[in-house]
Amino acid sequence: KAGVTQTPRYLIKTRGQQVTLSCSPISGHRSVSWYQQTPGQGLQFLFEYFSETQRNKGNFPGRFSGRQFSNSRSEMNVSTLELGDSALYLCASSAVGLVAGELFFGEGSRLTVL
Amino acid sequence: AQSVTQLGSHVSVSEGALVLLRCNYSSSVPPYLFWYVQYPNQGLQLLLKYTSAATLVKGINGFEAEFKKSETSFHLTKPSAHMSDAAEYFCAVSDYNTNAGKSTFGDGTTLTVKP
Repeated sequence: KAGVTQTPRYLIKTRGQQVTLSCSPISGHRSVSWYQQTPGQGLQFLFEYFSETQRNKGNFPGRFSGRQFSNSRSEMNVSTLELGDSALYLCASSAVGLVAGELFFGEGSRLTVL
Repeated sequence: AQSVTQLGSHVSVSEGALVLLRCNYSSSVPPYLFWYVQYPNQGLQLLLKYTSAATLVKGINGFEAEFKKSETSFHLTKPSAHMSDAAEYFCAVSDYNTNAGKSTFGDGTTLTVKP
């Protein structure tokens, strides 16, 4: 069974640009969550999607957005990039209703903003 | 609201010694608790989980954790450390019934294993 796949793995952007990250969950998993990981702030929850609907949202500005498609694949977008957006962005999927709360993580997309 | 506190951002042990990583949680509802491990440049991998069944939970790679409600703790242990255990460890709490995909993570503990 394939794991969670995130693309791209690494990317470099400049301030003011925008970026789109992609996540393919484990087959059959309908919940996709996004987390931002930085040395200073640790792991912070961005948002969760379930059946194409945003079900939970963390405390991030509106520049951070996401969506989920009918096949459960998800994308997140960050507009008007700032230096502080440099981070590892982790996507996780879970089998809602089968395994309580366990998250399966991808390897992450490492974003560097110059 | 839920929160997790991991005591000690860095723990160093000798190979073969006991590993003890501390985690205390706060939750207004019965929690689900997890330990994840992260190796460099990788995502997080589940070590073990507590979901209101047995209070002593066994996980992968010889790790186990005990849920103590009276102490609101879920400490991770391993009797004998191996060099390959060097990684960052995260304790997490979730309220599965209402927030399946949203977990609150601790700040992490970096485990160093000395030869």
